[in-house]
Amino acid sequence: SQTIHQWPATLVQPVGSPLSLECTVEGTSNPNLYWYRQAAGRGLQLLFYSVGIGQISSEVPQNLSASRPQDRQFILSSKKLLLSDSGFYLCAWIGVYRGEAFFGQGTRLTVV
Amino acid sequence: AQTVTQSQPEMSVQEAETVTLSCTYDTSENNYYLFWYKQPPSRQMILVIRQEAYKQQNATENRFSVNFQKAAKSFSLKISDSQLGDTAMYFCAFMKDFGNEKLTFGTGTRLTIIP
Repeated sequence: SQTIHQWPATLVQPVGSPLSLECTVEGTSNPNLYWYRQAAGRGLQLLFYSVGIGQISSEVPQNLSASRPQDRQFILSSKKLLLSDSGFYLCAWIGVYRGEAFFGQGTRLTVV
Repeated sequence: AQTVTQSQPEMSVQEAETVTLSCTYDTSENNYYLFWYKQPPSRQMILVIRQEAYKQQNATENRFSVNFQKAAKSFSLKISDSQLGDTAMYFCAFMKDFGNEKLTFGTGTRLTIIP
């Protein structure tokens, strides 16, 4: 069965520090991978999605970047965090045959 | 671009009653997929139900069913015999097609089941 791992679960970082959130998928190959951000009390905003190694599509201009160094690995990064980067970040794998989205458990990022 | 609208930020219902959550969407596509996801306090996203636009029959999953009105671009979720464990955020989502496509979410409805 397919599983998706995301870490860390919580993170507190100072303004101006770098960020690296990692997401890995098991049980599938060539997955479509997504990074979403959920602000408090709000919906899910799509940040990046990737359909293959090295292929990244950005939905919203921002302080973040994403990379896909391996087939089942998706990384969200920032060189210098801003206070506005605080939020709940979710990695997702979306199956191309049924369209179901499998989500990681999320990372609560607090920038202080 | 596709948009998904959930006009009910919060709802509450007594345990064992039936509740309906609303969702409308905007698209020019003829074939697409609609989903309802549940996000309990644990924040884990869980797929509740899925509907293919080419199917006229409304999808059902145990106590969960949808009312899919393609012409009206409406996709409501009905929860029957509501249980305390149904308390969660519910998100409606749209996907144009499988493959290299993104999943667009609504802003969510916070549902509280009252004991």
